[in-house]
Amino acid sequence: GDSVTQMEGPVTLSEEACLTINCTYTATGYPSLFWYVQYPGEGLQLLLKATKADDKGSNKGFEATYRKETTSFHLEKGSVQVSDSAVYFCALHGGSQGNLIFGKGTKLSVKP
Amino acid sequence: KAGVTQTPRYLIKTRGQQVTLSCSPISGHRSVSWYQQTPGQGLQFLFEYFSETQRNKGNFPGRFSGRQFSNSRSEMNVSTLELGDSALYLCASSFTPSGSGADTQYFGPGTRLTVL
Repeated sequence: GDSVTQMEGPVTLSEEACLTINCTYTATGYPSLFWYVQYPGEGLQLLLKATKADDKGSNKGFEATYRKETTSFHLEKGSVQVSDSAVYFCALHGGSQGNLIFGKGTKLSVKP
Repeated sequence: KAGVTQTPRYLIKTRGQQVTLSCSPISGHRSVSWYQQTPGQGLQFLFEYFSETQRNKGNFPGRFSGRQFSNSRSEMNVSTLELGDSALYLCASSFTPSGSGADTQYFGPGTRLTVL
């Protein structure tokens, strides 16, 4: 079945460091891909999405490109802030089952 | 526009009891999906309702059930609670059925259920 694998955390960075969180997927067909963020004590917020190959999603300085050839959707940010500390989830929507399939989540801590 | 709301935010129950959680979707959204989040299993899909009909169901026992009302509000019920049911239960809404793929699902803040 469809699945998402993302890098294990936690990830600890200093403010202004570069961030990459790896995400790869297995799916039949052509899924839509998402990054959601969860701040402590809150639900999930959509960070960005891409619906077809080579699309780039971007929001709040974060970017991810849908790479069909490598089945990847890595999350990147050039300069992280303390306020980016959260858990990040990569997800796919395969269409056939009608629900989001999530990775395990990666906890990011940014130190001043 | 108001976001997805879930009530209650926190709940403590004992084993064997039953519980009902409520979700109000974003105005105009007709699809509501439920997910369970635990440290061990991560985020797992429970079920989805669209126009008062269950469209999809995840791999959970029959103790987990749900329904949707004509105003798109949804409830989920867990009967005969077990310790392992302790989790954050998240509800998400979207305009179209979630099987449409590209439509974004918007999540509520969740209900934290603790089973003692």
